[in-house]
Amino acid sequence: SQTIHQWPATLVQPVGSPLSLECTVEGTSNPNLYWYRQAAGRGLQLLFYSVGIGQISSEVPQNLSASRPQDRQFILSSKKLLLSDSGFYLCAWSEYWDTRSPLHFGNGTRLTVT
Amino acid sequence: AQTVTQSQPEMSVQEAETVTLSCTYDTSENNYYLFWYKQPPSRQMILVIRQEAYKQQNATENRFSVNFQKAAKSFSLKISDSQLGDTAMYFCAFMNEGGTSYGKLTFGQGTILTVHP
Repeated sequence: SQTIHQWPATLVQPVGSPLSLECTVEGTSNPNLYWYRQAAGRGLQLLFYSVGIGQISSEVPQNLSASRPQDRQFILSSKKLLLSDSGFYLCAWSEYWDTRSPLHFGNGTRLTVT
Repeated sequence: AQTVTQSQPEMSVQEAETVTLSCTYDTSENNYYLFWYKQPPSRQMILVIRQEAYKQQNATENRFSVNFQKAAKSFSLKISDSQLGDTAMYFCAFMNEGGTSYGKLTFGQGTILTVHP
């Protein structure tokens, strides 16, 4: 069966510091991968998605970037964190061959920028 | 662009009773998919139920069912025989079919459901 791992679970970082959140998927090949952010008390906003290695699409302009160095690895990064980057970040995957495939989410990372 | 609206920020229900969560959406597309996700206190997003827009029959998953009204662009979730474990935030979500937008979800603001013993 497929599983998705996301780490770390929580992170506290000072303003101006770098960020790296990692997500890996097991049990499937060539998944579509996504990064979502959930601000406090609000719904989820799509940040990035990827349909293959090295292929990244950004949905909103921001201080963050994403990379996909391997088929089942998706990384969210920042060179210098802002206070507004605080939130709950969720990685998700879906099957590439099924446009009806629902998204399967990881457990999320709670990021607090101080 | 699609929008999804959940007009009930919070709902509560007694254990074993039935509750309905509302969701409306706006789109000019004809083919799309609708989802309800559950986010318990553990924060993991869990898929509850899915509905294809081309299907007239309402989706059902055990105690969870939807009332899909395509013309009214309404997609409500009914939870029967509510259980304490149903306490969570529930999100309605929309996904276009095909093209470059497949796999990308647009979420509503969420409804916090509390089940009381």
